[in-house]
This record gives sequence, structure tokens and C-alpha cells, in this order.
Amino acid sequence: DQQVKQNSPSLSVQEGRISILNCDYTNSMFDYFLWYKKYPAEGPTFLISISSIKDKNEDGRFTVFLNKSAKHLSLHIVPSQPGDSAVYFCAAVGGFKTIFGAGTRLFVKA
Amino acid sequence: SQTIHQWPATLVQPVGSPLSLECTVEGTSNPNLYWYRQAAGRGLQLLFYSVGIGQISSEVPQNLSASRPQDRQFILSSKKLLLSDSGFYLCAWSKIRTTGEKLFFGSGTQLSVL
Repeated sequence: DQQVKQNSPSLSVQEGRISILNCDYTNSMFDYFLWYKKYPAEGPTFLISISSIKDKNEDGRFTVFLNKSAKHLSLHIVPSQPGDSAVYFCAAVGGFKTIFGAGTRLFVKA
Repeated sequence: SQTIHQWPATLVQPVGSPLSLECTVEGTSNPNLYWYRQAAGRGLQLLFYSVGIGQISSEVPQNLSASRPQDRQFILSSKKLLLSDSGFYLCAWSKIRTTGEKLFFGSGTQLSVL
């Protein structure tokens, strides 16, 4: 049973445009949500997070939106840059556990 | 600063052979420790986590086991590897959980079971 779902395996965006990565979850008890970025053959690195009591968190070009009623969150990257090309994982935290989605591969074309 | 070391980077093992992957964390004490696996084309699956020495929680029943003999050492083991054990194994740590602490990952071990 997948508690965190990223239904888009890949996304292609032109440089300078907005990238929107989506994530859905099923467990309403999650209290934190995070996004990680991963390059091939490396471990993921933390990008941005949001508490379940907030609906938006912004850090530079990255903004995460949370819609609790829909159990949905999204990551916006604007403007997108070629260096943003990577796999992005959505993750949800409940207790000691962090549950990850399957990831979305973002391609930013120059 | 804190660092996490994970080795080896790549490993090719025959079916039925044993496995031992080691992970150590430096620069912090009492970390929460985690083992994740990423199978080809799939997401990160939580295998084990530990909140203290000798305390191991298993998330997925399988032929893998984990141990935490010291505060900052986490070991993933198997007595007999299966083909399905192939994947990218990641060790991670976090500060003692308070409010959604982020994970810090090692560089991973690519395991191929042939």
C-alpha cells in the first residue's frame, strides 16, 4: 500500500519556465512533508519542507504548497534551470519514519 | 560538521552469498539511523530504522537484517542473498526526532546479485 504517491514518472520543462511536481498521500497523520533531490549514483539531498499546519513554504526558487483537505502537495521551481535536472522525491514524516514516493524525473531543457 | 560514510560504493555478489554493508556517522551523537533501498526504476523503500543502540525496527519482512552495535554504526546484513536483493542501498541519519527532521543520506551502495 503506497502511502505517498508521485504519479508522474517524468516531467520535461523548458529552461526559465515553471516546473510543478505533484505528490499525493493517504495518511492524514503525517505531520511533515519534505522534498529531496537525487542525482544518479548519489544519495538524495534535502530541498525544502513544510509542516502540516502550513499551506506554503518558500525558499528561493522553490516553493512547496500543501492542500491538506485534498492530501496533496506540490513543488514549484521557478525559473527552472538545467542544473535542476534530477529525480525529485516527495516524502512524508510520521513518528520516526519517513516514507518516500516513487520519484519524478525532471528534465530541464536549455 | 556531521558526515556519513557508507561502503562499499559498488558490490557484485553471487546468489546465496552473505552480505554486510556498513554505515558510520561522525560529528553527532544519538542519531536516528535508517536503511533504505531503491530498486531499479522505483522509489525509496524503508527497510530498517534504529533510534538507539541495539534497537532495530523492521519495515519489510525479508531475508535482510540490521544491527546497531555502536551509537553511530549501522550494519545491513544477509546470510543468503537473493536476486531480488539487487538495488541501490542507502544509509541515512537524522537528529533525534522532534518535528520532522530531515534525513542526511550516504552516497549509497549499488548491489548487484547475479
